[in-house]
Amino acid sequence: SQQGEEDPQALSIQEGENATMNCSYKTSINNLQWYRQNSGRGLVHLILIRSNEREKHSGRLRVTLDTSKKSSSLLITASRAADTASYFCATAASGGTSYGKLTFGQGTILTVHP
Amino acid sequence: DSGVTQTPKHLITATGQRVTLRCSPRSGDLSVYWYQQSLDQGLQFLIQYYNGEERAKGNILERFSAQQFPDLHSELNLSSLELGDSALYFCASSVVGLAVYNEQFFGPGTRLTVL
Repeated sequence: SQQGEEDPQALSIQEGENATMNCSYKTSINNLQWYRQNSGRGLVHLILIRSNEREKHSGRLRVTLDTSKKSSSLLITASRAADTASYFCATAASGGTSYGKLTFGQGTILTVHP
Repeated sequence: DSGVTQTPKHLITATGQRVTLRCSPRSGDLSVYWYQQSLDQGLQFLIQYYNGEERAKGNILERFSAQQFPDLHSELNLSSLELGDSALYFCASSVVGLAVYNEQFFGPGTRLTVL
């Protein structure tokens, strides 16, 4: 079963608008990562935020993490048509022998209209 | 281009058959991961190898097996295929074996269709 649930499942916006996607998870984590997937292609890593961090920026991306609520959000500012893709959050569990295992959410399908 | 290569890109086969998917990690990466992506199950972690040794196991069926060779490439073997095994299979690699330290780089995937 999936660790995370993403909200919304689908988001449709106009170019230039901001897009916000949310992710909730269930267990304690060491870090949370966001990935992008263009239709039927491989995933591309966007950003990693550790459990002791609250906010992180990378270009037009802003990620927040609230470990007390077990939730994260990804904000894409000034969106472009090229941002159209599926966005997944993935969690790396803390402790144990999880090693490299990432648990992915169901994803948010973002469509940016020109 | 992530630097991770997977072959073949597409594979069409029949139920009951056996197939092998191949993955070459990025140069210098010691860890290889296999994931299955399907419409009903989403993206599921199957198995991880680090420098030739199995390190973590996820929702991998007994009909499936994997290995990592001395040159660090990996193969995922799927046998007694069923219709439900139709999916995208991704390989990813990372420098070290712990997700706590770094991101994973994904290959383009192999689309398996079982008829």
